[in-house]
Amino acid sequence: NAGVTQTPKFQVLKTGQSMTLQCAQDMNHEYMSWYRQDPGMGLRLIHYSVGAGITDQGEVPNGYNVSRSTTEDFPLRLLSAAPSQTSVYFCASSITGVAYEQYFGPGTRLTVT
Amino acid sequence: EDQVTQSPEALRLQEGESSSLNCSYTVSGLRGLFWYRQDPGKGPEFLFTLYSAGEEKEKERLKATLTKKESFLHITAPKPEDSATYLCAVQALDTGNQFYFGTGTSLTVIP
Repeated sequence: NAGVTQTPKFQVLKTGQSMTLQCAQDMNHEYMSWYRQDPGMGLRLIHYSVGAGITDQGEVPNGYNVSRSTTEDFPLRLLSAAPSQTSVYFCASSITGVAYEQYFGPGTRLTVT
Repeated sequence: EDQVTQSPEALRLQEGESSSLNCSYTVSGLRGLFWYRQDPGKGPEFLFTLYSAGEEKEKERLKATLTKKESFLHITAPKPEDSATYLCAVQALDTGNQFYFGTGTSLTVIP
């Protein structure tokens, strides 16, 4: 199993550009989530999904969109990039969203200039 | 508001010098508390899940314990390869499927 994969590993965007961060898992997990990690702030939940076709907002959802058309994939879209979105983004998955551990991808380092 | 606080922010230990990391939480009903290890440039790696006060879990040199207000990650006779950032996360009964993370403790073990 590849586990949780993320692409790209690094990305530089200009302010106002849009892009999609890809996340896929091959463990047939129902729950998937996106976090951003900033120095001194810890991991903060952006959006999550409890199954195909179901998504919900986390702690810091503004400026991001998600969709979940399949169990395996959970892309994160930046609509109009801003310097405040410079961060490291992690995707994670879990068997269910209720009290089970999450498995994280390797992360995408995004810089917005 | 649910909160997770980890201390200390950073810890330097000599190889073999045991110590503990703390994770205190204020949630209205704990569904689960999770410990992760994160190496530089990588995603967090799951270590333990604790569900109720009094529970303990062990793995090699690590032991996690849980009370009604905090969790400790005890590191016994650490080795340099234990150097990493240790993250604590909680899930509460009243916040559905959301997980809240602390800011982590950066552990350095000196040979």
